Amino acid sequence: DQQVKQNSPSLSVQEGRISILNCDYTNSMFDYFLWYKKYPAEGPTFLISISSIKDKNEDGRFTVFLNKSAKHLSLHIVPSQPGDSAVYFCAASAKRGNTPLVFGKGTRLSVIA
Amino acid sequence: KAGVTQTPRYLIKTRGQQVTLSCSPISGHRSVSWYQQTPGQGLQFLFEYFSETQRNKGNFPGRFSGRQFSNSRSEMNVSTLELGDSALYLCASSLGTMNTGELFFGEGSRLTVL
Repeated sequence: DQQVKQNSPSLSVQEGRISILNCDYTNSMFDYFLWYKKYPAEGPTFLISISSIKDKNEDGRFTVFLNKSAKHLSLHIVPSQPGDSAVYFCAASAKRGNTPLVFGKGTRLSVIA
Repeated sequence: KAGVTQTPRYLIKTRGQQVTLSCSPISGHRSVSWYQQTPGQGLQFLFEYFSETQRNKGNFPGRFSGRQFSNSRSEMNVSTLELGDSALYLCASSLGTMNTGELFFGEGSRLTVL
């Protein structure tokens, strides 16, 4: 049973436009959400996070939105750059519980110049 | 500050053999967790160790095992290798337990089973 779902395996966006990556979760105990970026032959690197007490967190070109009622979060990248081309993983955890960090299957973003 | 170091980076084994992978966390980090990444399956959680104790275990068969030493370094072992064990094995460390903060990943050990 997949608790964190990224339903789009891939996404192509033109340079300069907005990239929107989506993530859904099923476990209502999750209260901390993170996005990781992964380049080939490298480990994932932390990008941005959001706590369930917020509905938005912004860091430069990256903004994460959380809709708790819909159990949905999204990552917006504006403007998209060719260097953003990577696989993006959504992850969730329950800080109050003894649960591991659960990852989605990832979305491959290609930013076309 | 040195990052998470995993060895070996690449290895090839044959079915039935066993393999040991090593992970050195960031200095001061007490939690080490392991993930398996295969195409189409994303990152699947194997186990987490904190202060030498296994805190969490994923849904993998008993052939997969791990341990953590007093200096926080961790090893994972896979016995009786199967073709389906071919994957990138990622180790991550964190200051506290894995669900209290961000994880810092190593570059992974790519295992090929022939």
